Amino acid sequence: DIQMTQSPSSLSASVGDRVTITCQASQDISNNLNWYQQKPGKAPNLLIYDASNLETGVPSRFSGSGSGTDFTFTISSLQPEDIATYYCQHYDNLLFTFGPGTKVDIK
Amino acid sequence: QVQLVESGGGAVQPGRSLRLSCAASGFTFSSYAMDWVRQAPGKGLEWVAVISYDGNNKYYADSVKGRFTISRDNSKNTLYLQMNSLRGEDTAVYYCARDVARGHGDAVDYWGQGTLVTVSS
Repeated sequence: DIQMTQSPSSLSASVGDRVTITCQASQDISNNLNWYQQKPGKAPNLLIYDASNLETGVPSRFSGSGSGTDFTFTISSLQPEDIATYYCQHYDNLLFTFGPGTKVDIK
Repeated sequence: QVQLVESGGGAVQPGRSLRLSCAASGFTFSSYAMDWVRQAPGKGLEWVAVISYDGNNKYYADSVKGRFTISRDNSKNTLYLQMNSLRGEDTAVYYCARDVARGHGDAVDYWGQGTLVTVSS
């Protein structure tokens, strides 16, 4: 089974900062990776699919990159409304595997 | 608009059973694969199971395989999760989720509000 890891597990940053989260797969997953945002008490929201494609309606300050085993999720300028936990998710023929999540808050 | 409304959660003793339902509306239910995803209190997301649009293909996380059964009734626009032999570690909010094609793969684009299952003696 493919395992997904994320780092860091949490971070604090200032408004306007560039924030980067990494996600690593235990084996090559090509670009079969999505990113979700989950705000406290809410269901998750799809931000990025196929590692680097922005979901319709998602602000352009969010971006993703990577392929193979190493992936990066970036918020180019952190906003107060970005306080949330971010999850990477591998997909393989209808099967999903989520990463453990990265909690982002404001310093 | 798309709505997914879960029901059937509650408190149950270890070893007992529970059936969750998810009523779907606002889209052609029979055209989409559907998932159950759970989240233990204060923890991350865990994918539980998926069922294809026609019900012919079902896949499960290892943690629930042999105990949980996903099913659907396309005539009633309803998704189900039968949970047997429940354990304390099954305590979680259970989300119903719509699977959608994105790029060359799949993602979840709509989620229900979740229903809490608590397994405790």
